[in-house]
Amino acid sequence: QKEVEQDPGPLSVPEGAIVSLNCTYSNSAFQYFMWYRQYSRKGPELLMYTYSSGNKEDGRFTAQVDKSSKYISLFIRDSQPSDSATYLCAMSAIEGNQFYFGTGTSLTVIP
Amino acid sequence: EPEVTQTPSHQVTQMGQEVILRCVPISNHLYFYWYRQILGQKVEFLVSFYNNEISEKSEIFDDQFSVERPDGSNFTLKIRSTKLEDSAMYFCAGDSGTPEAFFGQGTRLTVV
Repeated sequence: QKEVEQDPGPLSVPEGAIVSLNCTYSNSAFQYFMWYRQYSRKGPELLMYTYSSGNKEDGRFTAQVDKSSKYISLFIRDSQPSDSATYLCAMSAIEGNQFYFGTGTSLTVIP
Repeated sequence: EPEVTQTPSHQVTQMGQEVILRCVPISNHLYFYWYRQILGQKVEFLVSFYNNEISEKSEIFDDQFSVERPDGSNFTLKIRSTKLEDSAMYFCAGDSGTPEAFFGQGTRLTVV
């Protein structure tokens, strides 16, 4: 049983578009939900994390968690070519516990 | 801004050889991790380390793997006898007890 599922894309959008990235999960014990951005052959870079359900906003990025549906989303407003990267969702049950990653969604923002 | 530093950036080794991957975590972090990513696949957990001992490890982290924090700053991953399937990007990460884990840029290990 896959812990975390993420559509690998690729996703291609015009500059300025709103991007929606999503993950589903099966383990109801997950409480911490993270979004990372990864450029080719580089380490994951933390964008945001959310605890339990709800929304969190940081600039052009909004993270949403719906624990009842086991579904998380990352929205990018006014997307820029520099947002082109692979976006990874990750989850954990307890602080200091291992992260379970999605496969990553490849995003290209076309100027 | 503090960052996690990994060396070397790329290591090529022959099958059966031992390799040591090195990491310098951010100084105020308490939990340390190694993850790996085989090309085109998910980032996979290997091991977590807290208070100078392994706190959790995955099935991948078998007897061929070991971790050490020898001097309070460096954090190393040793693979005793490398196999072709160990070829991957290896990432060190750390956090201070929140889920805000920061990753290094990775070591690309190629086993030939």
